[in-house]
Amino acid sequence: NAGVMQNPRHLVRRRGQEARLRCSPMKGHSHVYWYRQLPEEGLKFMVYLQKENIIDESGMPKERFSAEFPKEGPSILRIQQVVRGDSAAYFCASSPAALNTEAFFGQGTRLTVV
Amino acid sequence: GESVGLHLPTLSVQEGDNSIINCAYSNSASDYFIWYKQESGKGPQFIIDIRSNMDKRQGQRVTVLLNKTVKHLSLQIAATQPGDSAVYFCAEGGGGADGLTFGKGTHLIIQP
Repeated sequence: NAGVMQNPRHLVRRRGQEARLRCSPMKGHSHVYWYRQLPEEGLKFMVYLQKENIIDESGMPKERFSAEFPKEGPSILRIQQVVRGDSAAYFCASSPAALNTEAFFGQGTRLTVV
Repeated sequence: GESVGLHLPTLSVQEGDNSIINCAYSNSASDYFIWYKQESGKGPQFIIDIRSNMDKRQGQRVTVLLNKTVKHLSLQIAATQPGDSAVYFCAEGGGGADGLTFGKGTHLIIQP
């Protein structure tokens, strides 16, 4: 059983471009959480999704950021018109139920905006 | 706003000694607390959790203590090994929130 898979591991984008980050949850997990981590900081919650539904996006910036978790395929975090301040590590976690104590994290995508 | 924070950013201990990492939290409504270990370039790895109705929980070489009176959480690692070198985060969850609230982390350094 593979763990939570995130790709790409590293992503470089120029200012103004779009970034698409993918997260494939563990087999049997239908709950996905996205977090952002700035250097020397803890993780900050962004959004919580179940299959085809956004449950809680209270941590997501109102503009340029969106997330989805379609019926088939990975969860996608999309950042449009990236700016330097978007540079960070983005982690997703998946769980079989809405309980964080059973969530496993992926290795993250490190986004660098140049 | 409410947040979870740590007292020390860096903790250096001798190999074989016990390590104690501390955490202060402010949300008294949190239902559970989790300690994570994060190695360089990797995602957080679950270590141990404790529910708010408990004050102590033990795992393999680790013990978590919860003091709700002073809103304090600690992680004790027995007989610290070189492989324990990492950044340790406490996180709180529940209490109506869907996501976890993380502290800033403590970097544990093991000296030979």
